[in-house]
Amino acid sequence: SAVISQKPSRDICQRGTSLTIQCQVDSQVTMMFWYRQQPGQSLTLIATANQGSEATYESGFVIDKFPISRPNLTFSTLTVSNMSPEDSSIYLCSVGGGGGTEAFFGQGTRLTVV
Amino acid sequence: GENVEQHPSTLSVQEGDSAVIKCTYSDSASNYFPWYKQELGKRPQLIIDIRSNVGEKKDQRIAVTLNKTAKHFSLHITETQPEDSAVYFCAASDTGRRALTFGSGTRLQVQP
Repeated sequence: SAVISQKPSRDICQRGTSLTIQCQVDSQVTMMFWYRQQPGQSLTLIATANQGSEATYESGFVIDKFPISRPNLTFSTLTVSNMSPEDSSIYLCSVGGGGGTEAFFGQGTRLTVV
Repeated sequence: GENVEQHPSTLSVQEGDSAVIKCTYSDSASNYFPWYKQELGKRPQLIIDIRSNVGEKKDQRIAVTLNKTAKHFSLHITETQPEDSAVYFCAASDTGRRALTFGSGTRLQVQP
């Protein structure tokens, strides 16, 4: 199993600003995932963060808007840049799942952009 | 990439009744199919999963069935209780991205 600590748990931000979300895992993992969950919607993969290489972004998500860092095997950050109200969502980091193992999630960051 | 469709979007049952949620997937290479329960304001929690070499798996009141030929899998909850009320997501492993692709979710309401 994996325990994931994610912070902040929520924030209210002004449009045009940026927010960095941190995710700490209690064990070393090769891949970390960042998902977005818009209000009342499902989880959509933003990007895969690999240690030592550039993150891989899904269609519709770009590095300039969602820069990701992965400095080591237990930590990652996602920045939501130049925010607009449309960025109001829950952002979740995750490990596992793709290789046939259980996926674990951070508690999520509820972002409101005003 | 993988595409997962989930039905129904909402489901209301009486306490004690059974609930069934169905999902289909598109990538025949997908080999892992978990189900997650998400309560309001909380992170998704795994409730049961199945791998492609198994047709059915049961854990107390919860069961999952998988039909690889038809590329669909289903969640069955028997003897539903009010605490089963939540949003349920199916997912499939995407062997290319090595991440999960989620269905659209089912809001289950168990009426006492």
